Amino acid sequence: DAGVTQSPTHLIKTRGQQVTLRCSPKSGHDTVSWYQQALGQGPQFIFQYYEEEERQRGNFPDRFSGHQFPNYSSELNVNALLLGDSALYLCASSLPGPGSSSYNEQFFGPGTRLTVL
Amino acid sequence: GQSLEQPSEVTAVEGAIVQINCTYQTSGFYGLSWYQQHDGGAPTFLSYNALDGLEETGRFSSFLSRSDSYGYLLLQELQMKDSASYFCADLNSGGYQKVTFGIGTKLQVIP
Repeated sequence: DAGVTQSPTHLIKTRGQQVTLRCSPKSGHDTVSWYQQALGQGPQFIFQYYEEEERQRGNFPDRFSGHQFPNYSSELNVNALLLGDSALYLCASSLPGPGSSSYNEQFFGPGTRLTVL
Repeated sequence: GQSLEQPSEVTAVEGAIVQINCTYQTSGFYGLSWYQQHDGGAPTFLSYNALDGLEETGRFSSFLSRSDSYGYLLLQELQMKDSASYFCADLNSGGYQKVTFGIGTKLQVIP
């Protein structure tokens, strides 16, 4: 059973550029959340997608956008990159809501390390 | 807003017991989770408490007191491989999984 996969593993961009990160959830999961983790910090919630719609969003500017596809995979797009966007971007998948037996458990992918120069 | 506080670093001896505390101030609190993250790795789920009391999973136990807005993770029979960062995280009760993580506690297990 494949876990959560993310691509690419590493990425280097320059300020002002745009980036797209990709995530495939764990088999059987239909909810995908994205997090930003700066060095030495805890993951910060960016947003969550379920049924191809954004249903929760953290305190991130509109430069951060996403998409979920019918196969539940997801993309995170960041426009107009800033130096401060350099971080590890984590994708986590889970079962949808309180009706699911283990919805509180999130499975994380290995992350994409983004460096903005 | 949501905030969780935990110690930044803890050092413990192999074979010993260590407790990592977490206090939270959140609106719409639903439950407290704990995650482990090794350097360069992804966070992995350890435990979840929605109700007051102790949950035990092997060498790891987690406790929650909703009245005190407090929880802890207890690691017993420490092993060198337990050296990692440990995050408490609250699950927002919006009905959805808007999870807020603490800054993490870096545990160093020494021989």
